[in-house]
Amino acid sequence: GIQVEQSPPDLILQEGANSTLRCNFSDSVNNLQWFHQNPWGQLINLFYIPSGTKQNGRLSATTVATERYSLLYISSSQTTDSGVYFCAVGRGSTLGRLYFGRGTQLTVWP
Amino acid sequence: KAGVTQTPRYLIKTRGQQVTLSCSPISGHRSVSWYQQTPGQGLQFLFEYFSETQRNKGNFPGRFSGRQFSNSRSEMNVSTLELGDSALYLCASRQLQENTEAFFGQGTRLTVV
Repeated sequence: GIQVEQSPPDLILQEGANSTLRCNFSDSVNNLQWFHQNPWGQLINLFYIPSGTKQNGRLSATTVATERYSLLYISSSQTTDSGVYFCAVGRGSTLGRLYFGRGTQLTVWP
Repeated sequence: KAGVTQTPRYLIKTRGQQVTLSCSPISGHRSVSWYQQTPGQGLQFLFEYFSETQRNKGNFPGRFSGRQFSNSRSEMNVSTLELGDSALYLCASRQLQENTEAFFGQGTRLTVV
């Protein structure tokens, strides 16, 4: 399978700070998604980004598929950004299966 | 457009019992995948169904099974429950089988006592 490593495992910030979360993967992929898991367990879609750069408000993401990594940027953090952020990847040979990293636990203090 | 719906949201079962979880995908989505999330193992893939056929299977024992109906709704069944089956079970739907965005339901939290 595809190995997915996320860093850092834990991140503690003051409200208003910026942060960068990283996702490294071990093989070529044609599917990459970033999720935020809310306190009730649901995975909320942030980005579908197998390559390139996307922005959505205070969040942006970049995937460099040839170098096998993706970055999630959070600017001007808010307490509501707290939670676990997951990176998940997939490729054609494994059909719809997603391989998940262990996540980054983000805590934003007021 | 309604999202992915999983029922029930919470479940408490006794060791040895069996359980059935349900997932209704987003309208028009034909692929449904199931994942188990535990603190120790993280998010692990169980299986994927597309057009009522299991197309992919993770590394779980045969006690874990599933099926998909003609309306794309899916069920997963766990027989002879063990304490270690306590987990959050998440279902994902996608429009096509691969290379498209997956959307997850709210999950079913199963506790085995």
